[in-house]
Amino acid sequence: DIQMTQSPSSVSASVGDRVTITCRASQSISSWVAWYQQRPGRAPKLLIYSATTLQSGVPSRFSGSGSGTEFTLTISSLQPEDFATYYCQHTNSFPTWTFGQGTRVDI
Amino acid sequence: QLQLQESGPGLVKPSETLSLTCTVSGGSISTSSYYWGWLRQPPGKGLEWIGAVYYVGSTSYNPSLESRVTISVDTSRNQFSLRLSSVTAADTAIYYCARHLRGYDLLTGYYSWFDTWGQGTLVTVSS
Repeated sequence: DIQMTQSPSSVSASVGDRVTITCRASQSISSWVAWYQQRPGRAPKLLIYSATTLQSGVPSRFSGSGSGTEFTLTISSLQPEDFATYYCQHTNSFPTWTFGQGTRVDI
Repeated sequence: QLQLQESGPGLVKPSETLSLTCTVSGGSISTSSYYWGWLRQPPGKGLEWIGAVYYVGSTSYNPSLESRVTISVDTSRNQFSLRLSSVTAADTAIYYCARHLRGYDLLTGYYSWFDTWGQGTLVTVSS
């Protein structure tokens, strides 16, 4: 099975900072990655799919890049509501739809 | 606006069967290209996909849970349900229902992501 490894596991940042989270696949997965945001006590929310496509309604400060084995989620200017845990998902990993272990972004 | 809402007991005894229902509102469960799935998240841990059902009744399951899982759909009620048998403390988690787009790429196979989630319900396995 292909493993998805996120780094860092947590990051401390301030409002207005640029934050980058990395997800590495154990082998090439083309652009089959989605990113989710999970605020404390809330369900995950889809941010990006196909590595770079922004889900409808998601602010443009979120962006995704990468292909093959390395993918990044970037928040260009961190807002108070962005303090959350972020997960990547291998979207071509039927029948497990594997997730990364998560990256917590806190103050 | 599509909404999903989980319901069911919050406490289940070890060895018994966990049963949850997800009610879909603001849209029809009988929609092509979308599967209706269950995921779970142990407290403080990551996400695990359990399985999913298509509106015609076809299902797919995570191999790690397949022997204990049954997911079914009731299109007349716009609901789908999860049954997980022989539960242990390791099954204690927040259980989410979610809609997932699923497609097929000729080169790489099935692909899917989860675009709408329920709020989640905590199920504790304890005597």
